[in-house]
Amino acid sequence: QSVLTQPPSASGTPGQRVTISCSGSSSNIGSNTVNWYQQLPGTAPKLLIYSNNQRPSGVPDRFSGSKSGTSASLAISGLQSEDEADYYCAAWDDSLNGFAVFGGGTQLTVL
Amino acid sequence: QVQLQESGPGLVKPSGTLSLTCAVSGGSISSSNWWSWVRQPPGKGLEWIGEIYHSGSTNYNPSLKSRVTISVDKSKNQFSLKLSSVTAADTAVYYCARDLLDITIFGVVLVFDIWGQGTMVTVSS
Repeated sequence: QSVLTQPPSASGTPGQRVTISCSGSSSNIGSNTVNWYQQLPGTAPKLLIYSNNQRPSGVPDRFSGSKSGTSASLAISGLQSEDEADYYCAAWDDSLNGFAVFGGGTQLTVL
Repeated sequence: QVQLQESGPGLVKPSGTLSLTCAVSGGSISSSNWWSWVRQPPGKGLEWIGEIYHSGSTNYNPSLKSRVTISVDKSKNQFSLKLSSVTAADTAVYYCARDLLDITIFGVVLVFDIWGQGTMVTVSS
């Protein structure tokens, strides 16, 4: 069971906007920044969003992140077939001397 | 640019020790970054194992801390993972990653910005 909670699946049609939620607690999302990773089938994860809402160079502005309290969200607008992947949220947890935690992952299907 | 490459045995016997190495190329392991290990059991999500700084400072996942040792070899520009007393539950793809760890006014910023391709390790007799 993951420390951060994500819905196991999400779906949308091309061009649609979808959001993926990530719920945590005061010791992780409530205190620290959130990152999002995209994992295409059979590949290593790739950094998608860092520090709640920042995009690394090369990530399309269709991807955006937000945080409020102990929850965070990833939004994908103008959904494309190549967005079909697993998405993970992550943060630092301040408990027990501190450690990194991931969400369980959300499998996004483009219908 | 910086690249990471994992290496090590793909098969480990139960109760044995899993040993992996991550070679860093295109940059120095002594830069202002931490270096992490992350694993992913087949069909499941990501789990952080731990991280090391070039000084030797480490942070570990509390759930694995009693069995994990991460070390760094600056002369070879690489870092390593040892996981003892393995069981079938330790079967996973193991990734090494560069991480940026910083304390800011917004809290702790921890970013895995560069990942290795991953290596599959199976625990079986």
